[in-house]
Amino acid sequence: SQTIHQWPATLVQPVGSPLSLECTVEGTSNPNLYWYRQAAGRGLQLLFYSVGIGQISSEVPQNLSASRPQDRQFILSSKKLLLSDSGFYLCAWSVLGYGYTFGSGTRLTVV
Amino acid sequence: GENVEQHPSTLSVQEGDSAVIKCTYSDSASNYFPWYKQELGKGPQLIIDIRSNVGEKKDQRIAVTLNKTAKHFSLHITETQPEDSAVYFCAASKGSNYQLIWGAGTKLIIKP
Repeated sequence: SQTIHQWPATLVQPVGSPLSLECTVEGTSNPNLYWYRQAAGRGLQLLFYSVGIGQISSEVPQNLSASRPQDRQFILSSKKLLLSDSGFYLCAWSVLGYGYTFGSGTRLTVV
Repeated sequence: GENVEQHPSTLSVQEGDSAVIKCTYSDSASNYFPWYKQELGKGPQLIIDIRSNVGEKKDQRIAVTLNKTAKHFSLHITETQPEDSAVYFCAASKGSNYQLIWGAGTKLIIKP
């Protein structure tokens, strides 16, 4: 069966520090991968998506970046965090855009 | 581009009653409509989806209906239970390898 792992669950980082969030998927090949951000009590904002290794599409210009070094690994990074980067970050995968499966999320607080 | 509107933003129903959440979409080419349930502090979970060649789909207490002419689809939950309390999101896409366009969410509160 397919599973998605996302870590860490909670992260508190100072302004200006770097960020690296990792997501891995098991039990499927060549999934579409996504990073979403959710502000408290708000909807889902698509940040990046990838349809294959090394292919990244950005939806929102910002100081975040994403990489897909392996077929089932998706990484969200920042060189210098801003206060506005706080939020709930969700990784998801799908097969050709159907049936998104989300990870358990990372609660990021920038202080 | 596609736009998905979801109503109401908050819905409070008595336990045992039915709940209905409605979404409208703007792009007539959209053909895939999933619904997600998000419990507090967790990632959204797919609860039911429908494709445009089907008008209604049921899974136990949950059903989704689609009206392609009017470009709206609805989530129906019957015999609501306390564990149905959550935020529900609708979404729409044009299918294979297109991105999901999300509604803003509905907070469903089940009153005991």
